[in-house]
Amino acid sequence: GQQLNQSPQSMFIQEGEDVSMNCTSSSIFNTWLWYKQEPGEGPVLLIALYKAGELTSNGRLTAQFGITRKDSFLNISASIPSDVGIYFCAGSLSNSGYALNFGKGTSLLVTP
Amino acid sequence: DAGVIQSPRHEVTEMGQEVTLRCKPISGHDYLFWYRQTMMRGLELLIYFNNNVPIDDSGMPEDRFSAKMPNASFSTLKIQPSEPRDSAVYFCASSLVAGSIEAFFGQGTRLTVV
Repeated sequence: GQQLNQSPQSMFIQEGEDVSMNCTSSSIFNTWLWYKQEPGEGPVLLIALYKAGELTSNGRLTAQFGITRKDSFLNISASIPSDVGIYFCAGSLSNSGYALNFGKGTSLLVTP
Repeated sequence: DAGVIQSPRHEVTEMGQEVTLRCKPISGHDYLFWYRQTMMRGLELLIYFNNNVPIDDSGMPEDRFSAKMPNASFSTLKIQPSEPRDSAVYFCASSLVAGSIEAFFGQGTRLTVV
């Protein structure tokens, strides 16, 4: 499948700081999703984006679908310790049916 | 409503043994996906089904891997014979209807082949 490039690989921040991570692809995607995975659990869907330029929020999380359709970012404002986990971007190519391609993830650590 | 249910949560087996992983998707979901997660390769799609029919199995690594979906509420992923390099976390996910790719994941099966 198409590989997504996700950055940074890891982040180590203090509680209260804002976080930004992004995802790029060499191909055009028609859908971007952001997931969070905690240890021993499966990925949990955070935000879904369906239109280029779309900006969507879910509580302290905000994600945008890049205008070129080749990138997306996720911001977390005022981080808290329970934000710890691995954040994955996932995208769907327009001609790949309903299969998702995943990035390698951004590991987030938040210290109190 | 229960989410995607996978069993077992953990499996330790000896090389050469047959392994069967099980999945119950969310009721009413038309699509079922099997993913494998490793540190090196991340989340890889192995195979997915639509209405119990396999649509794309290009991600299945070898003939040792096979997947079935005999009905809308049950799927299996079988590895026979298993090898140490098959050690990984295997996830099952399902999504609602055509046009929605918001997949919901189970808790995974951690497979260790020794």
